[in-house]
Amino acid sequence: DVKVTQSSRYLVKRTGEKVFLECVQDMDHENMFWYRQDPGLGLRLIYFSYDVKMKEKGDIPEGYSVSREKKERFSLILESASTNQTSMYLCASSLPTIGYAYEQYFGPGTRLTVT
Amino acid sequence: AQSVAQPEDQVNVAEGNPLTVKCTYSVSGNPYLFWYVQYPNRGLQFLLKYITGDNLVKGSYGFEAEFNKSQTSFHLKKPSALVSDSALYFCAVRDRGGATNKLIFGTGTLLAVQP
Repeated sequence: DVKVTQSSRYLVKRTGEKVFLECVQDMDHENMFWYRQDPGLGLRLIYFSYDVKMKEKGDIPEGYSVSREKKERFSLILESASTNQTSMYLCASSLPTIGYAYEQYFGPGTRLTVT
Repeated sequence: AQSVAQPEDQVNVAEGNPLTVKCTYSVSGNPYLFWYVQYPNRGLQFLLKYITGDNLVKGSYGFEAEFNKSQTSFHLKKPSALVSDSALYFCAVRDRGGATNKLIFGTGTLLAVQP
């Protein structure tokens, strides 16, 4: 079974703090994704990575950055946390999908509260 | 631009009755379509996907979905609902011509199954 783990289930940070969210997958997947989930808005893609050190912006990258130094690990960084970044953050991974569509496997999520 | 619509925020159904969760999509060509389920305080779990071929796709936990190209719909169905099916359901679409596995998610439908 594919396992995607996230470093924290719940996190409380103060405005202005630098926040690191870590994601690790154990299936040697090339693609990794960070989403945020908000009620009524569904899942929105923040960033994704299709290989080590490769990244692309998603639909809402402002205020976030990412790092992928190793294939199994994809980090989301909030450089200076703000209250409007209070949300559920979901990490996912998948195989590369040229000519096909593999499903994404999700971690349990990190509920971040910024006060 | 690609988009997915889930027109119902909530669907209520009695246990034992059939259930339908609706999804319509908009893509420039033929789509790849997915359904995911999210139980409380959990990540998303893959249910089923449509790639090509038979318009009726069978998935996990007795769920199935019907792809209708003329109506651009991909409704999720189950013949007999269980209380344990109560969860948040997401439809997602990927452009078949896309070079990465970026998915566009709907806003989600909360399914409530009453005993």
